[in-house]
Amino acid sequence: KAGVTQTPRYLIKTRGQQVTLSCSPISGHRSVSWYQQTPGQGLQFLFEYFSETQRNKGNFPGRFSGRQFSNSRSEMNVSTLELGDSALYLCASSFSGSDIQYFGAGTRLSVL
Amino acid sequence: QKEVEQNSGPLSVPEGAIASLNCTYSDRGSQSFFWYRQYSGKSPELIMFIYSNGDKEDGRFTAQLNKASQYVSLLIRDSQPSDSATYLCAPYSGSARQLTFGSGTQLTVLP
Repeated sequence: KAGVTQTPRYLIKTRGQQVTLSCSPISGHRSVSWYQQTPGQGLQFLFEYFSETQRNKGNFPGRFSGRQFSNSRSEMNVSTLELGDSALYLCASSFSGSDIQYFGAGTRLSVL
Repeated sequence: QKEVEQNSGPLSVPEGAIASLNCTYSDRGSQSFFWYRQYSGKSPELIMFIYSNGDKEDGRFTAQLNKASQYVSLLIRDSQPSDSATYLCAPYSGSARQLTFGSGTQLTVLP
């Protein structure tokens, strides 16, 4: 059974650009959560999607957005990139009604 | 006060010893508790979870939960150099539908 797949694995962008990251959950998992990990702030919750609906959002500016498709795949978008957005972005999926989350390998974003 | 507190370490133990990792949390609504292991440059890997007060054992790992004290711990028996990693404690809030992570404890097992 394939795990959570995140693409791309690495990205280099410049300030002011926008970026879209993709996450394909484990087959059968309908909930997808996104996290940002930085050395200074650790792992922080961005948002959670279920059945194409955002059910919860963390304390991040509106430049961070996401969506989920009918096949449960999810994307997150960051607009007007800032240097501080450089981080490892992690996607986790879980079964409906389950609190057990499995993480993908992550996308490492560098903003220059 | 941080929501989830862990000793950042580094914690060093000799091979074969018991490593004890501790975590306290502030949200009394947390309903389940997870331990993830993260190797340098990799993503978090789920190793244990616990829902009820008491102990839960899985191989060399034992998770302990005391909800009254808002305390969770992870014991690793017969520690191996391959256990060297950062261990993340993460309570789950059902109302918020999210994991809240501690800053992690860096464990080094010395051969």
